[in-house]
Amino acid sequence: EVVMTQSPATLSVSPGERATLSCRASQSIDSDLAWYQQRPGQAPRLLISGASTRATGIPARFSGSGSGTEFTLTISSLQSEDFAVYYCHHYKDWTGYTFGQGTKLEFK
Amino acid sequence: QVQLQQSGPGLAQPSETLSLTCAISGDSVSSKSVAWNWIRQSPSRGLEWLGRTYYRSKWYNEYALSVKSRITINPDTSKNHFSLHLNSVTPEDTAVYYCAREEGRKFDYWGQGTRVTVSS
Repeated sequence: EVVMTQSPATLSVSPGERATLSCRASQSIDSDLAWYQQRPGQAPRLLISGASTRATGIPARFSGSGSGTEFTLTISSLQSEDFAVYYCHHYKDWTGYTFGQGTKLEFK
Repeated sequence: QVQLQQSGPGLAQPSETLSLTCAISGDSVSSKSVAWNWIRQSPSRGLEWLGRTYYRSKWYNEYALSVKSRITINPDTSKNHFSLHLNSVTPEDTAVYYCAREEGRKFDYWGQGTRVTVSS
Protein backbone atom coordinates (compact mmCIF):
# COMPACT_ATOMS: atom_id res chain seq x y z
CA GLU A 1 0.00 0.00 0.00
CA VAL A 2 1.24 3.47 -0.88
CA VAL A 3 1.37 5.73 2.16
CA MET A 4 0.72 9.42 1.65
CA THR A 5 2.30 11.85 4.13
CA GLN A 6 1.27 15.49 4.22
CA SER A 7 3.11 18.38 5.82
CA PRO A 8 2.72 20.47 7.76
CA ALA A 9 -0.26 19.26 9.77
CA THR A 10 -1.31 22.88 10.31
CA LEU A 11 -0.28 25.97 8.39
CA SER A 12 -1.03 29.46 9.68
CA VAL A 13 -1.22 32.06 6.94
CA SER A 14 -2.70 35.54 6.56
CA PRO A 15 -5.22 36.40 3.83
CA GLY A 16 -3.47 37.55 0.68
CA GLU A 17 -0.38 35.53 1.43
CA ARG A 18 0.88 32.46 -0.39
CA ALA A 19 0.44 28.97 1.04
CA THR A 20 2.48 25.93 0.10
CA LEU A 21 1.32 22.45 1.13
CA SER A 22 3.32 19.27 0.64
CA CYS A 23 2.46 15.65 0.04
CA ARG A 24 4.93 12.80 -0.13
CA ALA A 25 4.27 9.27 -1.42
CA SER A 26 6.07 6.25 0.01
CA GLN A 27 6.84 5.09 -3.53
CA SER A 28 6.62 6.62 -6.97
CA ILE A 29 3.11 7.34 -8.16
CA ASP A 30 4.15 9.24 -11.31
CA SER A 31 1.57 12.05 -11.56
CA ASP A 32 -1.39 10.04 -10.32
CA LEU A 33 -2.26 12.45 -7.53
CA ALA A 34 -5.29 14.54 -6.67
CA TRP A 35 -5.87 17.31 -4.14
CA TYR A 36 -9.13 17.93 -2.31
CA GLN A 37 -10.38 20.81 -0.18
CA GLN A 38 -12.72 20.20 2.74
CA ARG A 39 -14.47 23.04 4.49
CA PRO A 40 -16.06 22.47 7.91
CA GLY A 41 -19.24 20.44 7.68
CA GLN A 42 -18.84 19.79 3.97
CA ALA A 43 -17.72 16.92 1.79
CA PRO A 44 -14.30 17.09 0.16
CA ARG A 45 -14.13 18.91 -3.18
CA LEU A 46 -11.80 17.96 -6.01
CA LEU A 47 -9.29 20.72 -6.76
CA ILE A 48 -6.48 19.17 -8.76
CA SER A 49 -5.89 15.90 -10.60
CA GLY A 50 -2.96 14.55 -12.54
CA ALA A 51 -0.85 16.43 -9.99
CA SER A 52 -1.34 19.75 -11.79
CA THR A 53 -4.66 19.95 -13.67
CA ARG A 54 -7.30 22.09 -12.03
CA ALA A 55 -10.78 20.64 -11.87
CA THR A 56 -13.68 22.48 -13.48
CA GLY A 57 -14.46 25.77 -11.76
CA ILE A 58 -11.38 25.85 -9.56
CA PRO A 59 -9.77 29.31 -9.43
CA ALA A 60 -6.38 29.87 -11.00
CA ARG A 61 -4.84 30.78 -7.63
CA PHE A 62 -4.73 27.03 -6.94
CA SER A 63 -1.86 25.20 -8.60
CA GLY A 64 -0.31 21.79 -8.22
CA SER A 65 3.11 20.48 -9.09
CA GLY A 66 5.37 17.50 -8.65
CA SER A 67 5.73 13.93 -9.81
CA GLY A 68 7.14 10.69 -8.49
CA THR A 69 7.05 11.01 -4.73
CA GLU A 70 6.99 14.75 -4.00
CA PHE A 71 4.02 16.99 -4.64
CA THR A 72 3.02 20.53 -3.81
CA LEU A 73 -0.25 22.43 -3.72
CA THR A 74 0.18 26.20 -3.86
CA ILE A 75 -2.48 28.79 -3.20
CA SER A 76 -1.09 32.04 -4.52
CA SER A 77 -3.14 34.63 -2.63
CA LEU A 78 -5.30 33.27 0.13
CA GLN A 79 -8.95 34.23 0.24
CA SER A 80 -11.12 33.80 3.32
CA GLU A 81 -12.92 30.83 1.77
CA ASP A 82 -9.62 28.97 1.31
CA PHE A 83 -9.16 28.31 5.02
CA ALA A 84 -9.98 24.63 5.13
CA VAL A 85 -8.36 21.21 5.30
CA TYR A 86 -6.55 19.90 2.23
CA TYR A 87 -6.00 16.25 1.38
CA CYS A 88 -3.90 14.52 -1.21
CA HIS A 89 -5.00 11.23 -2.72
CA HIS A 90 -3.09 8.84 -4.95
CA TYR A 91 -4.59 6.67 -7.63
CA LYS A 92 -1.48 5.17 -9.12
CA ASP A 93 -2.56 1.60 -8.62
CA TRP A 94 -5.72 0.38 -7.70
CA THR A 95 -5.23 -1.93 -4.84
CA GLY A 96 -7.20 0.45 -2.74
CA TYR A 97 -7.13 4.21 -2.73
CA THR A 98 -5.40 6.06 0.10
CA PHE A 99 -5.46 9.63 1.31
CA GLY A 100 -3.01 11.76 3.21
CA GLN A 101 -3.90 12.75 6.74
CA GLY A 102 -4.58 16.35 5.73
CA THR A 103 -3.14 19.84 6.20
CA LYS A 104 -5.28 22.37 8.02
CA LEU A 105 -4.90 25.87 6.64
CA GLU A 106 -5.77 28.30 9.38
CA PHE A 107 -6.03 32.04 9.73
CA LYS A 108 -2.92 33.67 11.17
CA GLN B 1 -25.09 18.43 -13.06
CA VAL B 2 -24.47 15.29 -11.06
CA GLN B 3 -25.93 15.16 -7.58
CA LEU B 4 -25.63 12.44 -4.97
CA GLN B 5 -28.20 12.32 -2.17
CA GLN B 6 -27.50 10.06 0.78
CA SER B 7 -30.06 8.54 3.10
CA GLY B 8 -30.02 6.16 5.99
CA PRO B 9 -30.00 6.03 9.78
CA GLY B 10 -27.50 7.90 11.87
CA LEU B 11 -27.37 5.23 14.55
CA ALA B 12 -26.39 1.58 14.32
CA GLN B 13 -26.35 -1.03 17.04
CA PRO B 14 -23.10 -2.88 17.78
CA SER B 15 -22.88 -6.23 15.94
CA GLU B 16 -25.66 -5.24 13.54
CA THR B 17 -25.60 -3.95 9.96
CA LEU B 18 -25.09 -0.37 8.90
CA SER B 19 -26.99 0.42 5.68
CA LEU B 20 -26.88 3.61 3.62
CA THR B 21 -28.17 4.55 0.19
CA CYS B 22 -26.86 7.04 -2.35
CA ALA B 23 -29.36 8.29 -4.94
CA ILE B 24 -27.87 9.51 -8.21
CA SER B 25 -29.23 12.30 -10.40
CA GLY B 26 -27.60 13.61 -13.54
CA ASP B 27 -25.85 10.31 -14.26
CA SER B 28 -26.57 6.59 -14.28
CA VAL B 29 -25.39 3.91 -11.88
CA SER B 30 -24.93 1.78 -15.03
CA SER B 31 -22.61 4.27 -16.73
CA LYS B 32 -19.63 2.48 -18.27
CA SER B 33 -17.24 5.38 -17.69
CA VAL B 34 -17.48 5.94 -13.93
CA ALA B 35 -17.53 4.04 -10.66
CA TRP B 36 -19.56 4.57 -7.51
CA ASN B 37 -17.75 4.62 -4.21
CA TRP B 38 -18.19 4.73 -0.47
CA ILE B 39 -15.65 6.58 1.65
CA ARG B 40 -15.75 7.27 5.37
CA GLN B 41 -14.04 9.80 7.63
CA SER B 42 -13.26 9.65 11.30
CA PRO B 43 -10.79 11.47 13.56
CA SER B 44 -8.81 8.27 14.13
CA ARG B 45 -8.69 6.96 10.55
CA GLY B 46 -8.99 10.12 8.45
CA LEU B 47 -10.45 9.58 4.99
CA GLU B 48 -10.77 5.87 4.34
CA TRP B 49 -11.89 4.41 1.03
CA LEU B 50 -14.26 1.47 1.57
CA GLY B 51 -15.23 0.16 -1.82
CA ARG B 52 -16.89 0.69 -5.18
CA THR B 53 -19.26 -0.75 -7.73
CA TYR B 54 -19.18 -0.19 -11.46
CA TYR B 55 -20.57 -1.52 -14.71
CA ARG B 56 -18.47 -2.55 -17.69
CA SER B 57 -20.81 -4.90 -19.56
CA LYS B 58 -21.14 -6.67 -16.23
CA TRP B 59 -21.06 -5.54 -12.64
CA TYR B 60 -17.88 -5.35 -10.59
CA ASN B 61 -17.33 -4.71 -6.89
CA GLU B 62 -14.05 -3.97 -5.19
CA TYR B 63 -13.51 -3.49 -1.48
CA ALA B 64 -10.85 -2.29 0.91
CA LEU B 65 -9.03 -5.11 2.65
CA SER B 66 -9.82 -3.56 6.03
CA VAL B 67 -13.56 -4.18 5.60
CA LYS B 68 -13.68 -6.80 2.86
CA SER B 69 -15.20 -9.51 5.03
CA ARG B 70 -18.01 -7.25 6.22
CA ILE B 71 -18.99 -5.01 3.31
CA THR B 72 -21.39 -5.21 0.38
CA ILE B 73 -22.07 -2.46 -2.14
CA ASN B 74 -25.11 -3.02 -4.34
CA PRO B 75 -26.28 -1.08 -7.38
CA ASP B 76 -30.00 -0.71 -8.07
CA THR B 77 -30.64 0.17 -11.69
CA SER B 78 -34.42 0.55 -11.25
CA LYS B 79 -33.93 3.30 -8.67
CA ASN B 80 -30.62 4.61 -10.00
CA HIS B 81 -28.91 4.35 -6.67
CA PHE B 82 -26.34 2.25 -4.86
CA SER B 83 -26.15 1.11 -1.29
CA LEU B 84 -23.62 0.29 1.38
CA HIS B 85 -24.09 -2.55 3.86
CA LEU B 86 -21.48 -2.98 6.57
CA ASN B 87 -22.18 -5.80 8.98
CA SER B 88 -20.95 -6.68 12.45
CA VAL B 89 -20.29 -3.04 13.23
CA THR B 90 -18.39 -1.88 16.30
CA PRO B 91 -17.84 1.60 17.76
CA GLU B 92 -14.74 1.81 15.52
CA ASP B 93 -17.10 2.08 12.54
CA THR B 94 -18.44 5.36 13.87
CA ALA B 95 -17.69 7.91 11.16
CA VAL B 96 -19.11 10.24 8.55
CA TYR B 97 -19.89 8.15 5.47
CA TYR B 98 -19.75 9.63 1.98
CA CYS B 99 -20.74 8.30 -1.40
CA ALA B 100 -18.73 9.61 -4.34
CA ARG B 101 -18.55 9.29 -8.09
CA GLU B 102 -15.20 8.27 -9.46
CA GLU B 103 -14.24 9.38 -12.94
CA GLY B 104 -10.72 8.71 -14.16
CA ARG B 105 -9.85 7.53 -10.65
CA LYS B 106 -10.70 10.90 -9.13
CA PHE B 107 -13.67 11.55 -6.89
CA ASP B 108 -15.39 14.40 -8.66
CA TYR B 109 -18.83 14.39 -7.04
CA TRP B 110 -19.64 13.63 -3.42
CA GLY B 111 -22.75 13.10 -1.37
CA GLN B 112 -23.49 15.34 1.57
CA GLY B 113 -22.23 12.84 4.14
CA THR B 114 -24.06 10.85 6.80
CA ARG B 115 -22.80 10.80 10.35
CA VAL B 116 -23.24 7.27 11.71
CA THR B 117 -22.72 6.44 15.35
CA VAL B 118 -22.37 2.85 16.48
CA SER B 119 -23.71 2.62 19.99
CA SER B 120 -26.22 0.74 22.06
